[in-house]
Amino acid sequence: GEDVEQSLFLSVREGDSSVINCTYTDSSSTYLYWYKQEPGAGLQLLTYIFSNMDMKQDQRLTVLLNKKDKHLSLRIADTQTGDSAIYFCAEGGGDYKLSFGAGTTVTVRA
Amino acid sequence: EAGVTQSPTHLIKTRGQQATLRCSPISGHTSVYWYQQALGLGLQFLLWYDEGEERNRGNFPPRFSGRQFPNYSSELNVNALELEDSALYLCASGRQDGNQPQHFGDGTRLSIL
Repeated sequence: GEDVEQSLFLSVREGDSSVINCTYTDSSSTYLYWYKQEPGAGLQLLTYIFSNMDMKQDQRLTVLLNKKDKHLSLRIADTQTGDSAIYFCAEGGGDYKLSFGAGTTVTVRA
Repeated sequence: EAGVTQSPTHLIKTRGQQATLRCSPISGHTSVYWYQQALGLGLQFLLWYDEGEERNRGNFPPRFSGRQFPNYSSELNVNALELEDSALYLCASGRQDGNQPQHFGDGTRLSIL
């Protein structure tokens, strides 16, 4: 199966850390991705992790992968108002197409 | 480096008409992917083209079709438009070796009246 699930909403205070969680079912996934979508825009690639890694850090973003549990998370440190958006988790395998979660709407409050 | 470009930005059609959406990939990318983002249905894979050939297709009817040109740009054609075809159509490009992520354009908003 290629189901990807993520929580739908997250509210976080400005300056705090945000953690968005995702689970997937396809054990053959090669890469796992996080994309950001702002209103009226396309998808912006935030970061991605190869399936043989368990962590990747890129400035304020930290991705954790638990391959045994098929669990992926994205942590955004020092969340800013510009981080308000919909965040999509996606998994890709040998067939090169991406399967997306429903997206987590992150709202940053002052 | 120019990103993935899509045109038009918006397209308004009526039921039964045909729509053509266009996509230009990032330079050096040979693969083009099409996705549909419909309200309430999320992002669904439509089609994958590489080196001018259709490589994979999602669970969509045959009236969704496309092609890829020698310069790797691509067209998505939707025939006999239905109200439920109203959606944001996103194009992504990538390298066929699969070792690079897919980069998306800003999409074409297709509205069926």
